[in-house]
Amino acid sequence: KNEVEQSPQNLTAQEGEFITINCSYSVGISALHWLQQHPGGGIVSLFMLSSGKKKHGRLIATINIQEKHSSLHITASHPRDSAVYICAVLMDSNYQLIWGAGTKLIIKP
Amino acid sequence: DAGITQSPRYKITETGRQVTLMCHQTWSHSYMFWYRQDLGHGLRLIYYSAAADITDKGEVPDGYVVSRSKTENFPLTLESATRSQTSVYFCASSDTSITGELFFGEGSRLTVL
Repeated sequence: KNEVEQSPQNLTAQEGEFITINCSYSVGISALHWLQQHPGGGIVSLFMLSSGKKKHGRLIATINIQEKHSSLHITASHPRDSAVYICAVLMDSNYQLIWGAGTKLIIKP
Repeated sequence: DAGITQSPRYKITETGRQVTLMCHQTWSHSYMFWYRQDLGHGLRLIYYSAAADITDKGEVPDGYVVSRSKTENFPLTLESATRSQTSVYFCASSDTSITGELFFGEGSRLTVL
C-alpha cells in the first residue's frame, strides 16, 4: 500500500467548475506539499502546510492532521489550470519526502 | 538569470557510458535534491545534500554518484548507464531547511539505449 494516495487519478471538468483533489497519507508527517506540474514538465510549489488552511488566489489547500488528509481546491477553474497536481508529505521520522502519484486535471473551455 | 537550472535538458546515451547531469542554483540554498520521475511512480529521491560537502542517499541511490564541492552546484553522475535509468531527472533546492519550500529545475530527460 502506498503511503501517500491521491484521488482521483484523472479529473476532467468544464471551465468554471469547483475542483477538489484529495491526498491521504498513512505516516506521521511534519508538513505536506502541494505542487503543480505543467505539460511541459516544469514543477512549481503551490503550498506547504502543516495545519489548517492556506489560500493563494483561486487555490485553497486544507489539511486535517488527525484524519491524515489534505485537499486542494480550485475555484472558478480555467483551462490554464490543466496540469498534474502532486501531493508530497514530509515524514517526521526522517524528513524524507514521500510523493503521491499525482492527479491529472484537464479543464475544458 | 537567477533560479535553478539543469543541463543538459535532453540526453541520449548508450548502455555503459558515463553521464553527468548538472544542476546550478543562484540562491545559495543549503539543501539540494535529485529526483527521478517515471511513469507509474511518483517522484523518487536519488540523493540529497544539506550543504557543501554533505550528501546523503535517498530512496533509489544505486547506480548514481553525487558531489557538492560548491553550494551552488550539485551534479549527478551515472557511472555506467543502464536502460533502467532512462527517466526524467529533476533537481530541486530549498532555502532554510528540509521543511522549506522546494524550487525545481526544468528537468533533464535522459534516454539510455
